[in-house]
Amino acid sequence: RKEVEQDPGPFNVPEGATVAFNCTYSNSASQSFFWYRQDCRKEPKLLMSVYSSGNEDGRFTAQLNRASQYISLLIRDSKLSDSATYLCVAFNNAGNMLTFGGGTRLMVKP
Amino acid sequence: GAGVSQSPRYKVAKRGQDVALRCDPISGHVSLFWYQQALGQGPEFLTYFQNEAQLDKSGLPSDRFFAERPEGSVSTLKIQRTQQEDSAVYLCASSLGATGQGHGYTFGSGTRLTVV
Repeated sequence: RKEVEQDPGPFNVPEGATVAFNCTYSNSASQSFFWYRQDCRKEPKLLMSVYSSGNEDGRFTAQLNRASQYISLLIRDSKLSDSATYLCVAFNNAGNMLTFGGGTRLMVKP
Repeated sequence: GAGVSQSPRYKVAKRGQDVALRCDPISGHVSLFWYQQALGQGPEFLTYFQNEAQLDKSGLPSDRFFAERPEGSVSTLKIQRTQQEDSAVYLCASSLGATGQGHGYTFGSGTRLTVV
């Protein structure tokens, strides 16, 4: 079982839709969490950090539930430019490395 | 430089050939990481350097994989006797500090290795 699990999708949604991605992690020692975005044939880039209190950046809202070891990303009012793969990431200070999920592919259609 | 630079961008190797992949991290970045990303998968950790010291190589899939960072800046990932299962994108990332709670990582564009 992978340390960080995601539904691979693809999620096909129309423009303007709200879409939610979920992620679970198995290492309870993980301390920090992130969502990265990866466009086709490009490198991963940080989208946002994830906090227990929840955090919002424009149309994007991320949430962490440490008790359930569950992370979510909500995208409101989807744009065509949101089409990408979204990677759920956990960081463990002991190992000083990012552990990635397999990614969830989003395709936003006109 | 302004970002993490990797070369070559693309590499086609015949099975059994040795390859060397280069990573130029952001100047002054202490930490350097190598990841392997197979098609349709997320990046998988290979190895981690803090300056010139290789602190973790637990992700290297076999003894055919070797990485070095002799002067604490440029790093090279070497794969000996390449196999088809080595075909993947190899990503390098660097961060300024030795630890940082996972923040401040910058990835290079990767080297796409195809073994034929």
